[in-house]
Amino acid sequence: AQKITQTQPGMFVQEKEAVTLDCTYDTSDQSYGLFWYKQPSSGEMIFLIYQGSYDEQNATEGRYSLNFQKARKSANLVISASQLGDSAMYFCAMREGGEYKLSFGAGTTVTVRA
Amino acid sequence: DVKVTQSSRYLVKRTGEKVFLECVQDMDHENMFWYRQDPGLGLRLIYFSYDVKMKEKGDIPEGYSVSREKKERFSLILESASTNQTSMYLCASSPVLPRDTIYFGEGSWLTVV
Repeated sequence: AQKITQTQPGMFVQEKEAVTLDCTYDTSDQSYGLFWYKQPSSGEMIFLIYQGSYDEQNATEGRYSLNFQKARKSANLVISASQLGDSAMYFCAMREGGEYKLSFGAGTTVTVRA
Repeated sequence: DVKVTQSSRYLVKRTGEKVFLECVQDMDHENMFWYRQDPGLGLRLIYFSYDVKMKEKGDIPEGYSVSREKKERFSLILESASTNQTSMYLCASSPVLPRDTIYFGEGSWLTVV
């Protein structure tokens, strides 16, 4: 079964607007971590933000925030004030319990229009 | 800054060739990973290693093997390359703490013809 689901293959957003990227996850563990990465066309994977399952506050890092809804098992990424440099593929990932590995979703391509 | 270096950025190999993808990290991380990235499928774990000479299969290990003789180096081996192994391969490393991200190399684009 798919552990991470990203249902939006691609999105367009106007510069300076906010965009929300959806991510739902599936785990029976109580302890887990959720990650978001950005992959520009160059191919490098850039870590953006982390949310632990026991964190009471939603994570924020600059223009990135994570809308964590534990009961719905969703961890949506919000990018505020989009910039042209935000055009990239975005991946949601999860680390379960005592595992070392991350499981990734299929990714969402974001294109920011001027 | 953490540095994960993959030896080759672009490779073209023939069907049946033995292919080595090398990865080196400079942060003394215990864990190292090989992922494969394909459009619409995201990243899928091939193998990972949590210590020298230790390895575990990921989600898609068939057709691949790995080697970790030194802590900083993790090699992915395609014993007999096939066209369905044409893909982007990403090496990564991480420390052991659960909140820590994993750090990726720049990726190796492999084409098997």
